[in-house]
Amino acid sequence: EAGVAQSPRYKIIEKRQSVAFWCNPISGHATLYWYQQILGQGPKLLIQFQNNGVVDDSQLPKDRFSAERLKGVDSTLKIQPAKLEDSAVYLCASSQRTGGRNYGYTFGSGTRLTVV
Amino acid sequence: GQQVMQIPQYQHVQEGEDFTTYCNSSTTLSNIQWYKQRPGGHPVFLIQLVKSGEVKKQKRLTFQFGEAKKNSSLHITATQTTDVGTYFCAASNQAGTALIFGKGTTLSVSS
Repeated sequence: EAGVAQSPRYKIIEKRQSVAFWCNPISGHATLYWYQQILGQGPKLLIQFQNNGVVDDSQLPKDRFSAERLKGVDSTLKIQPAKLEDSAVYLCASSQRTGGRNYGYTFGSGTRLTVV
Repeated sequence: GQQVMQIPQYQHVQEGEDFTTYCNSSTTLSNIQWYKQRPGGHPVFLIQLVKSGEVKKQKRLTFQFGEAKKNSSLHITATQTTDVGTYFCAASNQAGTALIFGKGTTLSVSS
């Protein structure tokens, strides 16, 4: 089966600019996650979608980050305006419908963001 | 909020030696998963443990879930250079909620 697709792979922007990342999950996976991974750390959850609804966005910095999954398939994550501390790899992952149990996540290759 | 602590942060071994990484939580976990991330790569799912005291094996890898469901370990027997990478535990305290990842243990292996 095809994996989780993410684009772009790399992005360099200046602080205060805006940036958007795109993710297409594995076909049939109802649950989609965005994680932020700063160099040397574990992935940190930003937002969890179930179909096109938000399940958990408690750790999303909503003053500058936004995410949507309008048709319950692909998703975009936006940062506006970016700060230096946003430099990280943004990972998208998908899993089968949670429905009361957990499944392994399939991660995309990530987008490496550098804010200068 | 929920946290999972992982130790050690780094481990260097000679090829053929064993390796173990530990994951601990202050709260009871619903399930725990283990992932491997190669340098420059993305996390790849290895296994999920759900039951108290559960032990699962994948070739040279042995995964354990503690009786109290608050800790877990990954043991690699006779490491190979292909085992190099960072091993993450990830857990949730309620089925269906998103995983919280530990900081990972980075394994290096010299031949």
